[in-house]
Amino acid sequence: GAVVSQHPSRVICKSGTSVKIECRSLDFQATTMFWYRQFPKQSLMLMATSNEGSKATYEQGVEKDKFLINHASLTLSTLTVTSAHPEDSSFYICSASSGFQEFFGPGTRLTVL
Amino acid sequence: GQQLNQSPQSMFIQEGEDVSMNCTSSSIFNTWLWYKQDPGEGPVLLIALYKAGELTSNGRLTAQFGITRKDSFLNISASIPSDVGIYFCAGMEYGNKLVFGAGTILRVKS
Repeated sequence: GAVVSQHPSRVICKSGTSVKIECRSLDFQATTMFWYRQFPKQSLMLMATSNEGSKATYEQGVEKDKFLINHASLTLSTLTVTSAHPEDSSFYICSASSGFQEFFGPGTRLTVL
Repeated sequence: GQQLNQSPQSMFIQEGEDVSMNCTSSSIFNTWLWYKQDPGEGPVLLIALYKAGELTSNGRLTAQFGITRKDSFLNISASIPSDVGIYFCAGMEYGNKLVFGAGTILRVKS
């Protein structure tokens, strides 16, 4: 099946710093990528929809200036958590859509100290 | 927005037993999906359902798309220890956006 990678898999940062997470579709072109956030023992919550070459569409309650999304190519989307705070600590998961199916990355565990 | 109600929240079963979990929605979806997530990993697609009434199997897994398009169930037959994990249903909205259920935690004792 299709493969989606995320980098890094884990990151620990100090409060106030910014963190960039990459999401890549390895063997197909993804016109749409999605970013999710998952708290422990909870479901995945969609943060934003990212289409290649256009601005991301954010879900209600998600600060676009806080979570910057760039979809530079059909195989790469990045999520930057700006001025991270401890409450931003979470499991961030991306997915890439081939138009028919959505394939998930392995997730990035962000811990903000 | 749309919400999915997934039940049960958790199950602790004996190896070899069959498992059943389901999801209901307040609205219609055109596609239902079932995923499994292992700790610290992203969800992995188990079964995708595209037509109302569709019954699809994948090995020991069977899922059905309800006739009303507002519900779906997933059955796992003859459970084994590696079935442990969290199972999520998801409905696909316009724009290929997914709405997830709260998940069912499955534990298997051997």
